[in-house]
Amino acid sequence: QVTLRESGPVLVKPTDTLTLTCTVSGFSLNYAKVGVSWIRQPPGKALEWLAHIFSNDEKVYSTSLERRLTISRDTSKSQVVLTMTNMDPVDTATYFCARLYCNHVACYPFDYWGQGTLVTVSS
Amino acid sequence: DIVMTQTPLSLSVTPGQPASISCKSSQSLLHTNGKTFLYWYLQKAGQSPQLLMYEVSSRFSGVPDRFSGSGSGTDFTLKISRVEAEDVGVYYCMQGIHLHTFGQGTKLEIK
Repeated sequence: QVTLRESGPVLVKPTDTLTLTCTVSGFSLNYAKVGVSWIRQPPGKALEWLAHIFSNDEKVYSTSLERRLTISRDTSKSQVVLTMTNMDPVDTATYFCARLYCNHVACYPFDYWGQGTLVTVSS
Repeated sequence: DIVMTQTPLSLSVTPGQPASISCKSSQSLLHTNGKTFLYWYLQKAGQSPQLLMYEVSSRFSGVPDRFSGSGSGTDFTLKISRVEAEDVGVYYCMQGIHLHTFGQGTKLEIK
């Protein structure tokens, strides 16, 4: 059974660096056809894609946020980590991790999602 | 960056009636490999989004056949042939040809 679970602080202060962890199970981060993205959603607003890490450890980032983001993985722990620097109240959002899976037919971005973790930025 | 624009932003539909959501991209989503990287998601209240459609018109596993997708290039449509109560939520289109971008979302409610 595929699951993803986000964890991290619920409250950070402005200018802090946020570190979130996505722990996956039911699949391996080493599998050639798998990757994991981070996606966020401010309260009552739309989804915003942030970053993705591929099975070969290649990373890609949102153009508007790439200076603040770092995505990495620890395959031995089945974890994908996102750091976001210089947090601001506008970064208050639910942060999701989600799997991208490909087979011989197609790729299925975000076929499985974590439940999300709400991060509030406030002094 | 590719911008995704959905219309309408909300719609209210009587059960059993059809519904249609439009999604337009600022650039073509047709890849040189012949595939078009347009996806649809549904986010029900209090839940994580769920994948409905991939590559414009293919239904993901378990998605009822009352859902259909169409379009090409930059113009796409999600249709629900007969809306049911369980279809309530916010629908998002997303492009996957260059990184990923979501539309603003369309809220579907039942009359």
